[in-house]
Amino acid sequence: GQQLNQSPQSMFIQEGEDVSMNCTSSSIFNTWLWYKQDPGEGPVLLIALYKAGELTSNGRLTAQFGITRKDSFLNISASIPSDVGIYFCAGQRDDKIIFGKGTRLHILP
Amino acid sequence: DVKVTQSSRYLVKRTGEKVFLECVQDMDHENMFWYRQDPGLGLRLIYFSYDVKMKEKGDIPEGYSVSREKKERFSLILESASTNQTSMYLCASNLGGHQPQHFGDGTRLSIL
Repeated sequence: GQQLNQSPQSMFIQEGEDVSMNCTSSSIFNTWLWYKQDPGEGPVLLIALYKAGELTSNGRLTAQFGITRKDSFLNISASIPSDVGIYFCAGQRDDKIIFGKGTRLHILP
Repeated sequence: DVKVTQSSRYLVKRTGEKVFLECVQDMDHENMFWYRQDPGLGLRLIYFSYDVKMKEKGDIPEGYSVSREKKERFSLILESASTNQTSMYLCASNLGGHQPQHFGDGTRLSIL
């Protein structure tokens, strides 16, 4: 079946550093989504991408829909303590959505 | 803003009990979904619904059923709870098509 490979699984960074994570698949998608989940909470939508090559920002977050439609990345600039959490990508096609396993972000003081 | 509300944040039940998890959305969304989330396994789709009184099995429907009597409400039912159903349960909804899913805060269910 379809799978999304999200990497890295976890990251340990210093406050103020930039962060980059990505998702790849062997399948193409029409929509890429990025979510953040805080401990004990549900995932919250950060960015939605609808077109190949699209680059979208939301504050310090920037995400891109890969040209091949098989990948997407999320960048966070100048990380702050509240960025801690799990970031999920999701690819959507034909009413079917596939989630990555998440990237757990840890920020060291 | 989209609001998806799950009735309980934490729930503790006993093996063999019938358990109801309720989810309500206030944005007139067509589609509603139930997932469970377990460490290392990510989000797995249990059931979903495209319309009132309509339901479709997801990837792991065994041991669960659902009910959608009204458009805004989607209930997940554990017919006879077992310890392997201890998990975080997440409800989501979307307008349909390529619109993103919006999630509730989750219900952390423990079956003793």
